[in-house]
Amino acid sequence: DQQVKQNSPSLSVQEGRISILNCDYTNSMFDYFLWYKKYPAEGPTFLISISSIKDKNEDGRFTVFLNKSAKHLSLHIVPSQPGDSAVYFCAAQLYYNQGGKLIFGQGTELSVKP
Amino acid sequence: NAGVMQNPRHLVRRRGQEARLRCSPMKGHSHVYWYRQLPEEGLKFMVYLQKENIIDESGMPKERFSAEFPKEGPSILRIQQVVRGDSAAYFCASSRQGPNEKLFFGSGTQLSVL
Repeated sequence: DQQVKQNSPSLSVQEGRISILNCDYTNSMFDYFLWYKKYPAEGPTFLISISSIKDKNEDGRFTVFLNKSAKHLSLHIVPSQPGDSAVYFCAAQLYYNQGGKLIFGQGTELSVKP
Repeated sequence: NAGVMQNPRHLVRRRGQEARLRCSPMKGHSHVYWYRQLPEEGLKFMVYLQKENIIDESGMPKERFSAEFPKEGPSILRIQQVVRGDSAAYFCASSRQGPNEKLFFGSGTQLSVL
């Protein structure tokens, strides 16, 4: 059972425009959500996170939105840059104090074209 | 300030052989997590260890897989009698004080079983 889903395997965006990456989840008990970025031949690196008690978290060009009623979160990157081209994974935690056990989506490959 | 170090980067084994994957956490980190990424899938949690203790192994296959994190030295993920389905990227992550901390991932070990 896939508890965290990223239904778009890929996304192509023009440099300077907004990138929107989407993620859906099924378990309403998840209480923390994270986005990781992964370049080829490297491990994932943490990007941004959001607690289930919030609906928005912003860090520079990156904003994560959480819609609990729809069990949906999205990552907005504005403006998009070629260096943002990577695979983006959303992940969820069941109870914050079990932090190491992340449940990942399948990933979305973002390509930002100059 | 070295990050999480995994070796080898690539490991080729024939069916029936043993695979040993090593992970040295970041300096000062005493919590280690192993994840596996099968082709076209997201990362899946395998096991969470502290020094000399297995905290959560709920994601480990019941047979052939084992993990340890000794008092001295790296964490080891051991796969006995490998099969083709074990071919995957294996990522290790570490955190300083455990479940409420951000995870830092290594670059992974790509295991190929012939």
